[in-house]
Amino acid sequence: DSGVTQTPKHLITATGQRVTLRCSPRSGDLSVYWYQQSLDQGLQFLIQYYNGEERAKGNILERFSAQQFPDLHSELNLSSLELGDSALYFCASSVGTPSNTGELFFGEGSRLTVL
Amino acid sequence: AQSVTQLDSQVPVFEEAPVELRCNYSSSVSVYLFWYVQYPNQGLQLLLKYLSGSTLVKGINGFEAEFNKSQTSFHLRKPSVHISDTAEYFCAVVGYSSASKIIFGSGTRLSIRP
Repeated sequence: DSGVTQTPKHLITATGQRVTLRCSPRSGDLSVYWYQQSLDQGLQFLIQYYNGEERAKGNILERFSAQQFPDLHSELNLSSLELGDSALYFCASSVGTPSNTGELFFGEGSRLTVL
Repeated sequence: AQSVTQLDSQVPVFEEAPVELRCNYSSSVSVYLFWYVQYPNQGLQLLLKYLSGSTLVKGINGFEAEFNKSQTSFHLRKPSVHISDTAEYFCAVVGYSSASKIIFGSGTRLSIRP
């Protein structure tokens, strides 16, 4: 158990809909990261937050947004969903920024299926 | 910016045989290097990391990796694999800068044959 909790574990929805994925980081971790894993794209970095502020941005679509709340949990919002958004979405956390700690702790992921 | 290349998408080996999973990186600054493992239906977990010091790094489950700065490589090895090592393995790199992002390779799927 990594200590990172993601909900829901599975989600099935239709094209055009909007979903919210939630992540609770390990106790004491200030950074939260979101990754998308699909068969054709591999593990893609989406976005990172550190203590409530956006720290780094990757290949995140404009239809996607995220935030980190004062209690440090994070939400990833996916809107106007398309079939290609079907993937496993991972949240990870770390104490600080990657260059300070070097280790990420991953949740078990939220599997999104868009029909 | 940094990048990571995992040269093999799949590596099949027989049980108890040795294995090497290859990873090459590129970076204009000094880096930290990692190997993560993803077992079926699970998230990634850290296998080992190189931050500084000895270039031979030992990790969990009998794995080790060697940092080779001149060849910009960080290959993962195990002298004798077990069925339980069946998983996907990801090499990752992050630059020393506080603004750096951790970049993952495309992964290598290790399948163990009895």
